[in-house]
Amino acid sequence: EDKVVQSPLSLVVHEGDTVTLNCSYEVTNFRSLLWYKQEKKAPTFLFMLTSSGIEKKSGRLSSILDKKELFSILNITATQTGDSAVYLCAVLDYKLSFGAGTTVTVRA
Amino acid sequence: DGGITQSPKYLFRKEGQNVTLSCEQNLNHDAMYWYRQDPGQGLRLIYYSQIVNDFQKGDIAEGYSVSREKKESFPLTVTSAQKNPTAFYLCASSIEGTGEQETQYFGPGTRLLVL
Repeated sequence: EDKVVQSPLSLVVHEGDTVTLNCSYEVTNFRSLLWYKQEKKAPTFLFMLTSSGIEKKSGRLSSILDKKELFSILNITATQTGDSAVYLCAVLDYKLSFGAGTTVTVRA
Repeated sequence: DGGITQSPKYLFRKEGQNVTLSCEQNLNHDAMYWYRQDPGQGLRLIYYSQIVNDFQKGDIAEGYSVSREKKESFPLTVTSAQKNPTAFYLCASSIEGTGEQETQYFGPGTRLLVL
């Protein structure tokens, strides 16, 4: 059975801190790994990663994939209160399998 | 505006009642999906459809049914056989393809509560 495990489950940081979220996976036919941000409603797409070692960046967010060790990390630098959300990792083989998410709370 | 819409935002179900959640997209996406989200858990796939008039069961299809008569629409019926339907239901869609095309985009969700 496909498995996606995110850690930590939750964390609280102060504005300006850097956050690193982890996602490890076991799937049969890996195609890609996706990160989403969910603020109470619909998850919004952040990144899709298909190749190892190639960092994707969007503003203060960045992510990288290691297909040998089967994990990905999502970094958020200079955190702001607007970064408070649940961050979901999902892995695509023939379907999308989601982790339970990491709840990030950024305090002013 | 292009996007995915879901209605209603909140839905209340009585015991033994079937209810239908609407999902519409105008993105011209081929594939559509239904997920269920429970507190502290990831999204779980209920059903998906890659083409009109065809759909497949996901991981937790029991107690649910779907139809895909039009490309734009993928309604989900929660039947009375679903004993624990209280959850947040998310619809998603994607282009059928490879790479970046497989990114799934989500609607705003419907919260279903049992009375």
